[in-house]
Amino acid sequence: DQQVKQNSPSLSVQEGRISILNCDYTNSMFDYFLWYKKYPAEGPTFLISISSIKDKNEDGRFTVFLNKSAKHLSLHIVPSQPGDSAVYFCAASAPSGSARQLTFGSGTQLTVLP
Amino acid sequence: ETGVTQTPRHLVMGMTNKKSLKCEQHLGHNAMYWYKQSAKKPLELMFVYNFKEQTENNSVPSRFSPECPNSSHLFLHLHTLQPEDSALYLCASSQVGIRETQYFGPGTRLLVL
Repeated sequence: DQQVKQNSPSLSVQEGRISILNCDYTNSMFDYFLWYKKYPAEGPTFLISISSIKDKNEDGRFTVFLNKSAKHLSLHIVPSQPGDSAVYFCAASAPSGSARQLTFGSGTQLTVLP
Repeated sequence: ETGVTQTPRHLVMGMTNKKSLKCEQHLGHNAMYWYKQSAKKPLELMFVYNFKEQTENNSVPSRFSPECPNSSHLFLHLHTLQPEDSALYLCASSQVGIRETQYFGPGTRLLVL
């Protein structure tokens, strides 16, 4: 059973508009959430993260929102640019006595149309 | 070199070959990871090393053998692989802590014939 789900495998958005990528999780022990961006044949690149003590974190054009009661997080990209076209993964981790393990969603392919 | 590097970037091997993947992190981190990404599947964690000690082995077949000689280097030794092992193998590193973020290398694209 997937503990982190990205239910939309793909999303197309016009350049300049807002992109909203969604992620749901089931494990209430998760307390740290991350978004990664991945181009083909490259490793994931860290974008932005949020701790469970917050409900919003912003970095430039990227904002992550966390709704703990709904076990839902979203990534907003405003304005969207063609270079944002990539696969976006959300990931979550829980406290650990050792190195934390990330649980990844299956990814959403974002296409920003010029 | 900066970040996390992986060599080789591409590898083709037969089922009877033995090969090794190498990962090096230049971030001063103390944990390293191997992941497998197959087509249209989430990233699958294979191994975790914390301060050079293996802390996790997610039911990975013994034909994959990790080695972590120090906190900057990580190897994945491959032998008698199967065609279904063809995938992108990713290495990551992190600094163990509360807000732990993993940073990934570019990956090795492996094809097993």
